[in-house]
Amino acid sequence: EAGVAQSPRYKIIEKRQSVAFWCNPISGHATLYWYQQILGQGPKLLIQFQNNGVVDDSQLPKDRFSAERLKGVDSTLKIQPAKLEDSAVYLCASSLGEKNTEAFFGQGTRLTVV
Amino acid sequence: GESVGLHLPTLSVQEGDNSIINCAYSNSASDYFIWYKQESGKGPQFIIDIRSNMDKRQGQRVTVLLNKTVKHLSLQIAATQPGDSAVYFCAERGRGGSNYKLTFGKGTLLTVNP
Repeated sequence: EAGVAQSPRYKIIEKRQSVAFWCNPISGHATLYWYQQILGQGPKLLIQFQNNGVVDDSQLPKDRFSAERLKGVDSTLKIQPAKLEDSAVYLCASSLGEKNTEAFFGQGTRLTVV
Repeated sequence: GESVGLHLPTLSVQEGDNSIINCAYSNSASDYFIWYKQESGKGPQFIIDIRSNMDKRQGQRVTVLLNKTVKHLSLQIAATQPGDSAVYFCAERGRGGSNYKLTFGKGTLLTVNP
């Protein structure tokens, strides 16, 4: 079974530039999560989708971050404009449903903002 | 507010010893508690979960203990191996309105010495 795919693996951008990350969850998984993991910390939930609907985006900085999952399958997370403090690993995860405690994570995209 | 944290940020053990990783939580309304393992450069990987109405659950070489009286969770790894070296996160499944979400703690770095 293929895992959660993310791209790119690494990205370096200057502050105030824009960046986008892509995620393809495990086939059949209805729930998709985007987490931000700052070095030395645990993953922090940014946004959670159930199929193509947002069920939680309470910790998403909506002035600069946006995410979509238009067809209920793959998803993109965008940052515009980026700030230095956005440097982190952005993890995508999926699960069969929101009640499932076993979320499957991708390898993440390491973003460095300079 | 809700928080999930760890007592010890680092733990160093000898190969073959047993390891105990601890976690404190504050949201008594969470219905599941989960342990994830994160190796360097990878996303977190599900290890084991425990429902809030249980106090112990065993897996292969791992045991999770839940003490709801003091809001404490621990992960015991038997006969620790070099491949167990990683950061371990506890997480809780809570409800935000009608939805479930996973909230992660800060993590403990386990180093296994040969």
